Amino acid sequence: DGGITQSPKYLFRKEGQNVTLSCEQNLNHDAMYWYRQDPGQGLRLIYYSQIVNDFQKGDIAEGYSVSREKKESFPLTVTSAQKNPTAFYLCASSIERSATQYFGPGTRLTVL
Amino acid sequence: RKEVEQDPGPFNVPEGATVAFNCTYSNSASQSFFWYRQDCRKEPKLLMSVYSSGNEDGRFTAQLNRASQYISLLIRDSKLSDSATYLCVVVNNDYKLSFGAGTTVTVRA
Repeated sequence: DGGITQSPKYLFRKEGQNVTLSCEQNLNHDAMYWYRQDPGQGLRLIYYSQIVNDFQKGDIAEGYSVSREKKESFPLTVTSAQKNPTAFYLCASSIERSATQYFGPGTRLTVL
Repeated sequence: RKEVEQDPGPFNVPEGATVAFNCTYSNSASQSFFWYRQDCRKEPKLLMSVYSSGNEDGRFTAQLNRASQYISLLIRDSKLSDSATYLCVVVNNDYKLSFGAGTTVTVRA
């Protein structure tokens, strides 16, 4: 089945630790995205990538880093520099940047 | 002013009722518009695109009013399974998506 997978579903982290969230897609989509969702707010773009080995900052990139070494994979690292990392993180992909985006099931990160 | 604004609700309606709500956007150059549905603690899923002439998909009708800069979603003959949060998504001319915070609909038996 084609789709987007994210792991883990739930993640707990101690303050000061870096943590990496996985996002994989087998839809052959060129573009991939990371969003953050907080209660009462719309999704906010962290990073996006239109092709392999290239990515761009979104609106709230501070404290996050990404890589795009393979078309299928777009991992997100939440660093200790991110002040309020507790949130629901959603990965999405689209055929190209102008096309409809499809979302993975999300990772719920909690900082203890 | 937020780029995309929605009434958070909740809209509590009985089964079989019609419910409608709007989403306003601030960028007059916005190109594309969508409604996504998000169930509690799940990912958003595309419900429907919104076309200039308005469009229907079964019990769902979406409309665009460019002059007043809003889109709307109407749900007819509400089902219990329609209970969800509906996200308005606006795409700007640089392909950036802006998301509303969502309108929560609860359909009761």
